[in-house]
Amino acid sequence: GENVEQHPSTLSVQEGDSAVIKCTYSDSASNYFPWYKQELGKGPQLIIDIRSNVGEKKDQRIAVTLNKTAKHFSLHITETQPEDSAVYFCAAPNTDKLIFGTGTRLQVFP
Amino acid sequence: SAVISQKPSRDICQRGTSLTIQCQVDSQVTMMFWYRQQPGQSLTLIATANQGSEATYESGFVIDKFPISRPNLTFSTLTVSNMSPEDSSIYLCSVGGQGRGYTFGSGTRLTVV
Repeated sequence: GENVEQHPSTLSVQEGDSAVIKCTYSDSASNYFPWYKQELGKGPQLIIDIRSNVGEKKDQRIAVTLNKTAKHFSLHITETQPEDSAVYFCAAPNTDKLIFGTGTRLQVFP
Repeated sequence: SAVISQKPSRDICQRGTSLTIQCQVDSQVTMMFWYRQQPGQSLTLIATANQGSEATYESGFVIDKFPISRPNLTFSTLTVSNMSPEDSSIYLCSVGGQGRGYTFGSGTRLTVV
């Protein structure tokens, strides 16, 4: 089955700096890699995802890169803002089930 | 993407009692998933609920403790039975898979006292 590892567990950055969160997965057959943002008291919200037929995807200040050979994918947030502060989870599928990473608590200081 | 309504949003329950959580989706979906998120932790899949068949439980979760109903393609319930303080968590339903992205409800924050 799929195993997902996520690093770092906590990340503190100054407003305007970039933040990078990395995940590795074990199942080479996985083909879909979402990233979720969870704010306090809320459910996870999908912020970006990537499928295995592309190596990078961007959406404004957020980007995800995928290296299928190395079986890792990363979330990049540029020009961070205080409202980016939240817990971020990566995930990968195991058949039709999503397996989540352990989460990264991102704090953006003004 | 699908919109999920989950209720209750939170509850405080006495140990030994049961709580049923409801999940309503605005479109028909084949697969629904129930997750548990313990305080400060990641999401752990409890079970997959398909309409017309029994739910499939993950290792460590059993039907007697977490019975699930899936009466139609837009609705599911999860019951947390005979609760203890260790059951205090956020419970989340989700839909997706089969080539589509996954959407989550806002969660039910359960505190067992």
